[in-house]
Amino acid sequence: DIQMTQTPSTLSASVGDRVTITCRSSQSISGWLAWYQQKPGKAPKLLIYKTSSLESGVPSRFSGRGFGTEFALTISSLQPDDFATFYCQQYDTYPLTFGGGTKVEIK
Amino acid sequence: QVQLQESGPGLVKPSETLSLTCTVSGGSVGSGSYYWSWIRQSPGKGLEWIGFINYSGKTKNNSSFKSRVTISVDMSKNQVSLKMSSVTAADTAMYYCARDRGWLSSNDAFNLWGQGTMVTVS
Repeated sequence: DIQMTQTPSTLSASVGDRVTITCRSSQSISGWLAWYQQKPGKAPKLLIYKTSSLESGVPSRFSGRGFGTEFALTISSLQPDDFATFYCQQYDTYPLTFGGGTKVEIK
Repeated sequence: QVQLQESGPGLVKPSETLSLTCTVSGGSVGSGSYYWSWIRQSPGKGLEWIGFINYSGKTKNNSSFKSRVTISVDMSKNQVSLKMSSVTAADTAMYYCARDRGWLSSNDAFNLWGQGTMVTVS
């Protein structure tokens, strides 16, 4: 199975901060990487697919980049609504696998 | 717009079979080129993909579940179902059904999720 490792596991930041979360896959996933945001008691919400494509309706402050086995999600200016847990997921190889999550907290 | 709603018993006894249903509203489970997956989330193991059934009836399961999992579609009821046999306490989790974006010939990213249903094995 492809292991997805996210860092950090927790991140403390303030409104307006630029925030970057990284995700590393245990083998190349050819860019087939998605990012999700999850708030307490809710299902995950797709933000980014195919490494850097913004899902419809997602604010442009979210962006994704990466290549090979190293990927990143950046929030250019953190907003109050962005405090949540973020997950990466690879869909290159079965079984589909998720990262362990990064919780973005208010500093 | 298409919505997904999971349902099923919230409490299952060890060694029994967990049975969940995902009802699709606002669209047909048989239309498009979608992959319909079950995904679970537990504090101990995070998000875990269980398996899918696609628009042509093809299924694939996560091998970590061995042969315990069966995913099926009922077109007449517009539902996707999950059956997981021989459950243990380790199967206690929030269970989600999810649909992918439908743009690939294989599983795409999941852009539609149900609200989830909590299952406790005890």
